[in-house]
Amino acid sequence: DTAVSQTPKYLVTQMGNDKSIKCEQNLGHDTMYWYKQDSKKFLKIMFSYNNKELIINETVPNRFSPKSPDKAHLNLHINSLELGDSAVYFCASSQGNRGTEAFFGQGTRLTVV
Amino acid sequence: QKEVEQDPGPLSVPEGAIVSLNCTYSNSAFQYFMWYRQYSRKGPELLMYTYSSGNKEDGRFTAQVDKSSKYISLFIRDSQPSDSATYLCAAPPGGGNKLTFGTGTQLKVEL
Repeated sequence: DTAVSQTPKYLVTQMGNDKSIKCEQNLGHDTMYWYKQDSKKFLKIMFSYNNKELIINETVPNRFSPKSPDKAHLNLHINSLELGDSAVYFCASSQGNRGTEAFFGQGTRLTVV
Repeated sequence: QKEVEQDPGPLSVPEGAIVSLNCTYSNSAFQYFMWYRQYSRKGPELLMYTYSSGNKEDGRFTAQVDKSSKYISLFIRDSQPSDSATYLCAAPPGGGNKLTFGTGTQLKVEL
């Protein structure tokens, strides 16, 4: 059973398009995250939701909009995609607000051409 | 300056070697520290976490924290080819749920 699953795994799209990435966790966790990993493998947090409430919103362009319909799901919608958005996007979840054991999904490799 | 710094490697060692992976950090608010392992094209997975200064051992892995010098280490004994991965140190500032990661060290254990 996959604990944190993301779809799609790969996404190739043209500049200017709008795309969404979906994430689901079956661990019963109440906190979910989006992280971005760039080409140099640097992993940086973008957003965090606790019980569907946005609690962390790092300096991310407005083109990125997370949505959490319930505490098991966290989706990421990206408008007007740019070349610089190419990266691997990881969803993660944890229980509580300590972030001690964050479980990560397999990642979505986004390539903007 | 990044809050958590790591030597990116790559670090190549022979099978059976003792590996030392290191991080330095600048934010005194960090209360506890984590090591994640990331295999190629996979998500990071938690290896170990430590709260206080000193050592914590788990099988072949030992995590060491020196808060006075803001230095974190991960030692791998009897390294195996299956240990080949990128190792990321991480810490949540103020104990919250935002993890600040180092850039990761790529390790290759060769037969």
